Amino acid sequence: GAGVSQSPSNKVTEKGKDVELRCDPISGHTALYWYRQRLGQGLEFLIYFQGNSAPDKSGLPSDRFSAERTGESVSTLTIQRTQQEDSAVYLCASSLAGHPNTEAFFGQGTRLTVV
Amino acid sequence: AQSVTQLGSHVSVSEGALVLLRCNYSSSVPPYLFWYVQYPNQGLQLLLKYTSAATLVKGINGFEAEFKKSETSFHLTKPSAHMSDAAEYFCAVRGGNQGGKLIFGQGTELSVKP
Repeated sequence: GAGVSQSPSNKVTEKGKDVELRCDPISGHTALYWYRQRLGQGLEFLIYFQGNSAPDKSGLPSDRFSAERTGESVSTLTIQRTQQEDSAVYLCASSLAGHPNTEAFFGQGTRLTVV
Repeated sequence: AQSVTQLGSHVSVSEGALVLLRCNYSSSVPPYLFWYVQYPNQGLQLLLKYTSAATLVKGINGFEAEFKKSETSFHLTKPSAHMSDAAEYFCAVRGGNQGGKLIFGQGTELSVKP
């Protein structure tokens, strides 16, 4: 596709439910990132995938959060037993690998509201 | 580990005034530095990036940033603010590994007064 695509764009869920957020990166981008942006705050790193390497999960806030990536394509971020503090915009980005100055391209985000 | 600190969560300038948004980084390896902008209700887009080819980097919309290793800084400037510059600005750093996670600062919200 032309850009990073995220779905759904908005999600309202009840506390305690599980949610899955989807990210389709730009074709050919081997690196994929997930971030959380709470209202009025910065981007909080969650997880980073690079090709077939083990993902960097150092930013996942708890074991309720997990993410998978199928090869070098789509990724899903799963939040189990959602809590109100999980309400945020979840951003996905992708980039070409090979050099650390490559630009990361961002999707429009999924706005998650836990009620 | 890499990190960035943006001084000032909110900066307000008058239209036509100098814009200065501060970013200091911490990195154990040569850093790669980026400035992103997020306009209201839009996604993040790249303003400029430091590639080690030159310490003064020019970006889109008249913005530029200067890499100062001695000060571990990468401040963003624009000589004359426009109303359309009102947005959230994020500084980010990536370590010198191949690829590597991109770590963002807390952001600075720029307001431009008429």
